[in-house]
Amino acid sequence: GESVGLHLPTLSVQEGDNSIINCAYSNSASDYFIWYKQESGKGPQFIIDIRSNMDKRQGQRVTVLLNKTVKHLSLQIAATQPGDSAVYFCAENGSSASKIIFGSGTRLSIRP
Amino acid sequence: GAGVSQTPSNKVTEKGKYVELRCDPISGHTALYWYRQSLGQGPEFLIYFQGTGAADDSGLPNDRFFAVRPEGSVSTLKIQRTERGDSAVYLCASSLTGLAGIEDTQYFGPGTRLTVL
Repeated sequence: GESVGLHLPTLSVQEGDNSIINCAYSNSASDYFIWYKQESGKGPQFIIDIRSNMDKRQGQRVTVLLNKTVKHLSLQIAATQPGDSAVYFCAENGSSASKIIFGSGTRLSIRP
Repeated sequence: GAGVSQTPSNKVTEKGKYVELRCDPISGHTALYWYRQSLGQGPEFLIYFQGTGAADDSGLPNDRFFAVRPEGSVSTLKIQRTERGDSAVYLCASSLTGLAGIEDTQYFGPGTRLTVL
């Protein structure tokens, strides 16, 4: 079946360092991938997305890398700040044009 | 800011009762989605509306769950004969067109936490 998984459930990073959150997906038909950030008690907040015809996309302090050969997605956060503490989800559109499938999430914690 | 809003923020009910959860999407957004999120898990798709019609309801777990969007704006998720296993956060999202792509981000509301005792 369709699934989106993550390599690590938790990640602890020193403030100011770069964070890298990894994600594996299984559906070769997926052509759209999204990263969401979810803080406690809030809904998921869109961070960045990428289509399958790209291998890299950059935003403000964030970069998403897509490796279709090994079905791997990563989110890089530059100069991690305390406000980056949250659970990060990768998601894919699977075989649907509109429905997105979320992974189980990685919790990012920041050490002062 | 006019984001997605959901009411109530918390709902506690007893097993067997009926509940309604409301979602107000971003104004002008054609597509509306309902997801369910259990503790420690990612959101799971329930149903997607394109305008007034349910374009994909494949995620609804059983016939106790039903959703409507009669005027193509506000949506209500209805759960009959609630069970303890229905306890979760119910999230609503909306997007401009309903077609996944760079220009059609799904924006989420804060969710309704449903607890069935």
